[in-house]
Amino acid sequence: EPEVTQTPSHQVTQMGQEVILRCVPISNHLYFYWYRQILGQKVEFLVSFYNNEISEKSEIFDDQFSVERPDGSNFTLKIRSTKLEDSAMYFCASSPTGGRTYEQYFGPGTRLTVT
Amino acid sequence: GEDVEQSLFLSVREGDSSVINCTYTDSSSTYLYWYKQEPGAGLQLLTYIFSNMDMKQDQRLTVLLNKKDKHLSLRIADTQTGDSAIYFCAESMDSNYQLIWGAGTKLIIKP
Repeated sequence: EPEVTQTPSHQVTQMGQEVILRCVPISNHLYFYWYRQILGQKVEFLVSFYNNEISEKSEIFDDQFSVERPDGSNFTLKIRSTKLEDSAMYFCASSPTGGRTYEQYFGPGTRLTVT
Repeated sequence: GEDVEQSLFLSVREGDSSVINCTYTDSSSTYLYWYKQEPGAGLQLLTYIFSNMDMKQDQRLTVLLNKKDKHLSLRIADTQTGDSAIYFCAESMDSNYQLIWGAGTKLIIKP
């Protein structure tokens, strides 16, 4: 069964550094999402992406964040100048088209630790 | 803003039914979901229900939706040790598909 994959599984970075989190969505899916879960808090929506542009973004997704689909398979989340409070589990998800866009399939997550 | 609430823990005996409850505030929710997260794993889409439905059954899983009370439940029949996980309730609307999440209910299975 096709799955969303994410790399790395764990990323440790120093405050102020830039990180890129990578995701490979399910191959025939066209909608992509990033969510995050800070330890002990609810999962939060960050951004959705379709047709090579951002569809929706939350208040969290400010100028520090950017997303990109650099090729036909990868979907990336870049966090510039990381802060301690960016430490969280970051989940990528993708959705099919054909009237099933409401089904979101998630990857295993990348745990980001900012020190 | 929208909010989704769940109790944090549920403990049941193996073989019994588990009922995990969720309440939500946004009456314009179109889709309501249950996701499962096993230790060290991602968020697995278990099932979902459209807001114009009252019930959905899928093998051991039964989802009940009371739209008037904005209450969603997930019943797992014949609970097994493999059902141990955190179960998340989530909602979204037709307009943007952003998932709004509950905090998750940890299901603990007693032998």
